[in-house]
Amino acid sequence: AQSVTQPDIHITVSEGASLELRCNYSYGATPYLFWYVQSPGQGLQLLLKYFSGDTLVQGIKGFEAEFKRSQSSFNLRKPSVHWSDAAEYFCAVARQGGSEKLVFGKGTKLTVNP
Amino acid sequence: EPEVTQTPSHQVTQMGQEVILRCVPISNHLYFYWYRQILGQKVEFLVSFYNNEISEKSEIFDDQFSVERPDGSNFTLKIRSTKLEDSAMYFCANSRSGNTIYFGEGSWLTVV
Repeated sequence: AQSVTQPDIHITVSEGASLELRCNYSYGATPYLFWYVQSPGQGLQLLLKYFSGDTLVQGIKGFEAEFKRSQSSFNLRKPSVHWSDAAEYFCAVARQGGSEKLVFGKGTKLTVNP
Repeated sequence: EPEVTQTPSHQVTQMGQEVILRCVPISNHLYFYWYRQILGQKVEFLVSFYNNEISEKSEIFDDQFSVERPDGSNFTLKIRSTKLEDSAMYFCANSRSGNTIYFGEGSWLTVV
């Protein structure tokens, strides 16, 4: 069965610092990969996605993620964090081919210190 | 980014009552989903709906739950005889081709 592991439950960074959120997946083949962000009391907003091709994908709000097949990872990065980035971040996978359900990780809560 | 609209944003209901959560999907999107997130837990898939029928459902989606598109536009989730453990945020989601899924703002359901 598909599974997604986000090993960090909570991360605290200072504003302006760099950020990396980890995501590992378990699946028989390369899935579609996604990062979503959820601000407090809000819905899930798609940050970026990977289907195929270039393993470094750019998303909204200055985020990027790199797919590493050998490590079954899809880590999210941002070079300089802003206070408004404080939120919960979810990594998700789906089987290639479309119309498949998303399987989510447990999420990483990001706190940004001034 | 395309918008999925959900109503109500928050509903409090008595245990045993029926609840209907509504979703206005993105125009031209053909795939519909419901997910839920119990407070402090991860987002879980409930059901997917395509071509006016359920295409996949999870173990959570038992006979207590049902979905439909009654007027060909709105997409609804009905929860019969609600239980305390049904308290959660319920997300409607859409996709045009099944590849990229867009979520609504969610409907908080509190069962008391």
